[in-house]
Amino acid sequence: GAGVSQSPSNKVTEKGKDVELRCDPISGHTALYWYRQRLGQGLEFLIYFQGNSAPDKSGLPSDRFSAERTGESVSTLTIQRTQQEDSAVYLCASSLVRGDEKLFFGSGTQLSVL
Amino acid sequence: SQQGEEDPQALSIQEGENATMNCSYKTSINNLQWYRQNSGRGLVHLILIRSNEREKHSGRLRVTLDTSKKSSSLLITASRAADTASYFCATDPTGRRALTFGSGTRLQVQP
Repeated sequence: GAGVSQSPSNKVTEKGKDVELRCDPISGHTALYWYRQRLGQGLEFLIYFQGNSAPDKSGLPSDRFSAERTGESVSTLTIQRTQQEDSAVYLCASSLVRGDEKLFFGSGTQLSVL
Repeated sequence: SQQGEEDPQALSIQEGENATMNCSYKTSINNLQWYRQNSGRGLVHLILIRSNEREKHSGRLRVTLDTSKKSSSLLITASRAADTASYFCATDPTGRRALTFGSGTRLQVQP
């Protein structure tokens, strides 16, 4: 596609429910990142995928959070048993390779947990 | 914890003035990038400066990097109302695989 696509753009859920957020990176981009941004805050790194290497999961805040990526394409971020503190914008980005490469961001998914 | 911290947190200037934002970081880096964010959604890459560079220009943007002080600055010259946005620095720490972002500077340019 022309850019990084994220869906849904907005998600409202009830506390305790599971949610899945989707990211379609730019075709050919081997690196994919998930970040979380709470209102008025900076970006918090969650997880990073690079080709067939083991993902860097060091930013996942708890075992309720998990992410998968199919080859070098779509990625899904899953949050189980959502809590109110999970409310944030979840941003996905991709780049050609890791290193001196700029990131291309999607428009994010605004998650609201009631 | 955040690798980079921007200063100031918020900046309000008049159209035509210059805006300067600073970023400090903690560890050795391969490069430092600046991004812009409108309306709290997707970020757009502005400029990248490598650890062996000291200054870089792109249009109205000027970025400096001082690795001895672990700091960088972003200068926007002749600002416009359309420059109103949040600006983030992001570092590529050696030994890590993901860009680490600072907390951002919110710039308001008054027409």
